[in-house]
Amino acid sequence: NAGVTQTPKFQVLKTGQSMTLQCAQDMNHEYMSWYRQDPGMGLRLIHYSVGAGITDQGEVPNGYNVSRSTTEDFPLRLLSAAPSQTSVYFCASSPDRGRTEAFFGQGTRLTVV
Amino acid sequence: KNQVEQSPQSLIILEGKNCTLQCNYTVSPFSNLRWYKQDTGRGPVSLTIMTFSENTKSNGRYTATLDADTKQSSLHITASQLSDSASYICVVSFRTGTASKLTFGTGTRLQVTL
Repeated sequence: NAGVTQTPKFQVLKTGQSMTLQCAQDMNHEYMSWYRQDPGMGLRLIHYSVGAGITDQGEVPNGYNVSRSTTEDFPLRLLSAAPSQTSVYFCASSPDRGRTEAFFGQGTRLTVV
Repeated sequence: KNQVEQSPQSLIILEGKNCTLQCNYTVSPFSNLRWYKQDTGRGPVSLTIMTFSENTKSNGRYTATLDADTKQSSLHITASQLSDSASYICVVSFRTGTASKLTFGTGTRLQVTL
């Protein structure tokens, strides 16, 4: 049972480059979300989706785009990377529109230089 | 503003000892409160979820309590093991129009030593 799979695990980008963080889940969960984790701060919500074709902004959406074409996949795109986006990114999925347990991926550690 | 505060920030205990971690929250409208364990370099893993009406919930050596009146929760770890070394994150869920959202505490970093 794979659960939530994130790729890559590590990434280094130069300022201004773009990239996509991949997230896939095999639990048929309708709700998926992206968070960033920074030192001394709790995880913060970037974007979320309540189902295929439906996305919405979270607490810190600027500089990121998402799409949800299938139930399984929820990629996060960095349009023009900035050093402030250096962080650890977690994708999560849960059933029941987030009202119950969230399952997290292993994380992607991104460094922007 | 929705907030979750945890204490202590960090804690070192000897293997076999018990410990209690604290969580205070100001989140509305409250849906449920969760405790997660996050090992270094890994994603958070759920330990317990408690709704408004639940006062206590256990998961093996982990016991969480919730006082919805005072908006406080605690996580008690019994007979600690080296594998308990991790960050423990208190998370409160609140409802919005389309879905529930989560407010995360900054975590308590626990180190269990010999």
